[in-house]
Amino acid sequence: AQKITQTQPGMFVQEKEAVTLDCTYDTSDPSYGLFWYKQPSSGEMIFLIYQGSYDQQNATEGRYSLNFQKARKSANLVISASQLGDSAMYFCAMREGFGNEKLTFGTGTRLTIIP
Amino acid sequence: NAGVTQTPKFQVLKTGQSMTLQCAQDMNHEYMSWYRQDPGMGLRLIHYSVGAGITDQGEVPNGYNVSRSTTEDFPLRLLSAAPSQTSVYFCASSRTSGYPGEQYFGPGTRLTVT
Repeated sequence: AQKITQTQPGMFVQEKEAVTLDCTYDTSDPSYGLFWYKQPSSGEMIFLIYQGSYDQQNATEGRYSLNFQKARKSANLVISASQLGDSAMYFCAMREGFGNEKLTFGTGTRLTIIP
Repeated sequence: NAGVTQTPKFQVLKTGQSMTLQCAQDMNHEYMSWYRQDPGMGLRLIHYSVGAGITDQGEVPNGYNVSRSTTEDFPLRLLSAAPSQTSVYFCASSRTSGYPGEQYFGPGTRLTVT
């Protein structure tokens, strides 16, 4: 079974609209962390936001927020007021277990913002 | 700080050739790792290291070797290049303590094997 599933290969969103990128995960470990990375066309990987399995509140970082639904094993990224510069690939990744640094990535979603 | 650096940025190899992809970080991070990125497959872990002298295999280690003689450097060696190793390679590093412990990525090396 896939540990990280991103079901939206591509999305087109109008500028200034909010967008939700889906991520579901599969783990039996009670201790885990979920990361979102952005990869613009230039190729670098940029860390956006993190949610720990024991965090009581949904993570937020500026225009990025994480809709964390633990029982459903989903960790969707929400981008508010999208901008042209948000056009990129977005990857969800998981780190399982205490003291484990290894990341498992999803296949990504390509987001295109339309002016 | 330069962060995570990788050399070269681009490389073309012939089948059977060997080469080393270089990775260095100046953040005194204990953890370093190598990923490959292929279209439609996200990033897959090749090898990783939790400190100098310690390395272990990831999801797709075949055809690659690593060593970690210093905290700063983590080279990836292709022993006998194959067309299936055509990919973009990323090196990453992170602390093994602290919150959230995100990984910092290098700019990547685009490798083509003909």
